[in-house]
Amino acid sequence: AQTVTQSQPEMSVQEAETVTLSCTYDTSESDYYLFWYKQPPSRQMILVIRQEAYKQQNATENRFSVNFQKAAKSFSLKISDSQLGDAAMYFCAYQRGSTLGRLYFGRGTQLTVWP
Amino acid sequence: DTEVTQTPKHLVMGMTNKKSLKCEQHMGHRAMYWYKQKAKKPPELMFVYSYEKLSINESVPSRFSPECPNSSLLNLHLHALQPEDSALYLCASSPLASAGTDTQYFGPGTRLTVL
Repeated sequence: AQTVTQSQPEMSVQEAETVTLSCTYDTSESDYYLFWYKQPPSRQMILVIRQEAYKQQNATENRFSVNFQKAAKSFSLKISDSQLGDAAMYFCAYQRGSTLGRLYFGRGTQLTVWP
Repeated sequence: DTEVTQTPKHLVMGMTNKKSLKCEQHMGHRAMYWYKQKAKKPPELMFVYSYEKLSINESVPSRFSPECPNSSLLNLHLHALQPEDSALYLCASSPLASAGTDTQYFGPGTRLTVL
């Protein structure tokens, strides 16, 4: 079974600083995808970034980037120039390739951004 | 446009009531999902529809009854719920891409309280 582990229940960062959220996963599959979703107090799950396992290059979306270490089964999220609006619960998620929509979520990391 | 809409935003119901949650997307996605999320926990998959057919039922109690009238609409009919069913109910959709990442996009959720 696939498991996703987020070892940091809570993190905090000063506005404009950089923070890294950790995620590890366990799988025997070679074809899979990884995601980071954020869930602010409004409760809507918002896709932050995604990574295809077959791609060597780390995904980047504006201030958000990942460090994908396939051999180590690690998928961390780096948020640069943190903003107050980044405060949210962040979920790491895994999906096997070519399967219908089953997302395996980690338990989440609550990020606080201090002004 | 990556919008998934859900109504109502909030719902309070008694244990003997019958109510329905509604989810809609106009992105041409062919898969739709229901998740249940308790406070400070990751979403739990309940049902998946692909091409308007029920593909996955995660052993959800029969007091939850999903329905997919067409490719844009997904309902969740509720009957004889228990207080422990109080939660945020999230709907998501995905394109069912033939290749590449099949990314799920979430709606804002319905917060359900069962008295």
